[in-house]
Amino acid sequence: EAQVTQNPRYLITVTGKKLTVTCSQNMNHEYMSWYRQDPGLGLRQIYYSMNVEVTDKGDVPEGYKVSRKEKRNFPLILESPSPNQTSLYFCASSLRNEQFFGPGTRLTVL
Amino acid sequence: QKEVEQNSGPLSVPEGAIASLNCTYSDRGSQSFFWYRQYSGKSPELIMFIYSNGDKEDGRFTAQLNKASQYVSLLIRDSQPSDSATYLCAVTDPPGGGNKLTFGTGTQLKVEL
Repeated sequence: EAQVTQNPRYLITVTGKKLTVTCSQNMNHEYMSWYRQDPGLGLRQIYYSMNVEVTDKGDVPEGYKVSRKEKRNFPLILESPSPNQTSLYFCASSLRNEQFFGPGTRLTVL
Repeated sequence: QKEVEQNSGPLSVPEGAIASLNCTYSDRGSQSFFWYRQYSGKSPELIMFIYSNGDKEDGRFTAQLNKASQYVSLLIRDSQPSDSATYLCAVTDPPGGGNKLTFGTGTQLKVEL
């Protein structure tokens, strides 16, 4: 089954404790992206990757890092999480027109 | 900064009616336009995309694009309770490619029995 998977789905952590949210797709897509979704602000792009070893900032990259060492994986790293990074995070991948979204990761930073 | 504007709603329509969802965008260079549906607590799923001025139909859904007015809309005919969701408008610059998307904040649609 073609899909985008994210782990964990839910995470509660404390300020400053490094965390990684994994994203993996099995569709051989070149383009992958991370979004955060907040009430009243909609979906905002954090980082995106056009291909392996090619990443670029989206609209809200501060406080986040990404890497793309393999085509299928695109982890999101929060080196020192803060409460303002509490949000719902989506990973997405696409080949042409359609972006396939993962199920989302709900992150709470206390 | 590219902006995509949508009325947050909720837009309430009776079952069987036509729901009309609207979106305006600020970047005149935008070339690709997408409508996503998002159920509460779920991830967005693509309904339709449109590149050219005019209408594009897919089943009960019709996307309409007017580049001169920087306006894109989604019509849902014969609305069903299962259509109740938040509808997200998104735009990108290069045609196709699924590249960087800028999303509106979404319009909540409620289809009432």
